Amino acid sequence: NAGVTQTPKFRILKIGQSMTLQCTQDMNHNYMYWYRQDPGMGLKLIYYSVGAGITDKGEVPNGYNVSRSTTEDFPLRLELAAPSQTSVYFCASSSHMRQGAAQETQYFGPGTRLLVL
Amino acid sequence: QKEVEQNSGPLSVPEGAIASLNCTYSDRGSQSFFWYRQYSGKSPELIMFIYSNGDKEDGRFTAQLNKASQYVSLLIRDSQPSDSATYLCAVAGVTGGGNKLTFGTGTQLKVEL
Repeated sequence: NAGVTQTPKFRILKIGQSMTLQCTQDMNHNYMYWYRQDPGMGLKLIYYSVGAGITDKGEVPNGYNVSRSTTEDFPLRLELAAPSQTSVYFCASSSHMRQGAAQETQYFGPGTRLLVL
Repeated sequence: QKEVEQNSGPLSVPEGAIASLNCTYSDRGSQSFFWYRQYSGKSPELIMFIYSNGDKEDGRFTAQLNKASQYVSLLIRDSQPSDSATYLCAVAGVTGGGNKLTFGTGTQLKVEL
């Protein structure tokens, strides 16, 4: 299993441009997440999904959109990129959220480093 | 607003010593607690999770949880230079959908030769 894969690894955007960050998992996980991590900071949840066709906002959703048409894929769309969106973006997945179970563990992709100039 | 607090460090320990990493959280409803390790430029990887009060040991790592004090810690015995990384504490509560984690800002650990 490849686990969680993300593309691209690195991207430079100009202010106002748009792009899609791709995320794919091959573990048949129901739950998928997008986080951003700014330098010296923890991870902030942008959006998450509990299954195909179901998404919800996290802590910092403004400026982003997501879709979940399949179990495997969870793309993150940036519209009108701004310098404040310069960050490292991590996608993660977990099996489900049964409390007290190891299936809660989130597995992370390698990340996408985004620079908006 | 759920908060998870960690000392940012850096925490420096000599090789072979015990490293103690601490985390406090504000939401008393929190149920699950995770420690992730993150090397510079890499993604977080799970070290341990703990749900019940007390200690949980896995090799050189021991997680300690005290829900009454809203405190969770990670002990690393016989610290090695390869343990040098940032350690992220993450806390999950009871949610309606999805296991949303709240992360601390991480503690940087440096193990010196």
